[in-house]
Amino acid sequence: AQKITQTQPGMFVQEKEAVTLDCTYDTSDPSYGLFWYKQPSSGEMIFLIYQGSYDQQNATEGRYSLNFQKARKSANLVISASQLGDSAMYFCAMREPGYSSASKIIFGSGTRLSIRP
Amino acid sequence: NAGVTQTPKFQVLKTGQSMTLQCAQDMNHEYMSWYRQDPGMGLRLIHYSVGAGITDQGEVPNGYNVSRSTTEDFPLRLLSAAPSQTSVYFCASSPSTNTGELFFGEGSRLTVL
Repeated sequence: AQKITQTQPGMFVQEKEAVTLDCTYDTSDPSYGLFWYKQPSSGEMIFLIYQGSYDQQNATEGRYSLNFQKARKSANLVISASQLGDSAMYFCAMREPGYSSASKIIFGSGTRLSIRP
Repeated sequence: NAGVTQTPKFQVLKTGQSMTLQCAQDMNHEYMSWYRQDPGMGLRLIHYSVGAGITDQGEVPNGYNVSRSTTEDFPLRLLSAAPSQTSVYFCASSPSTNTGELFFGEGSRLTVL
């Protein structure tokens, strides 16, 4: 069963508009973490934002915010005032418990975001 | 700062050959992991390690072996390469075994003919 689902394979957004990238997850453990990573065309993986399952506030990092809706098991990434440099693949990821209280991080299939000038 | 270093960056193999992808980190991270990235599939976890001497399987472990003899190094071995293992491989590390984000290497592109 897929643990992380990103239903938008690709999106086009006009520059300076806000954009929401969807992510839903599935876990029965109360303790987990959610991440978003950006992968530009150059291929490197860039960490954007993190939300812990017990965090009361939605995480924010500059123009990035994570819209965490625990009951719906969703962790959408919101990018405000999009820029041309935001064009990239975006991956949602979840840290779930694994071996001996350690945890493994699994990724969704990604959303390709393209910003139009 | 070196961070997570992967070698080689590119490799072409013939079916049945063996090879090792090297991964080293200089941040004293406990947690290390290997992913493969295929087009349209996102990143899939192959193996991970929570410390020297401790490894465990991820989502797609078949065809790959790992070991962790030191904190710094986490090599990935392909014993008998198959075309299905053509992919981009990422090594990543994290400071803790159950918190914190992953720090990624630059990736290794492997082609199996």
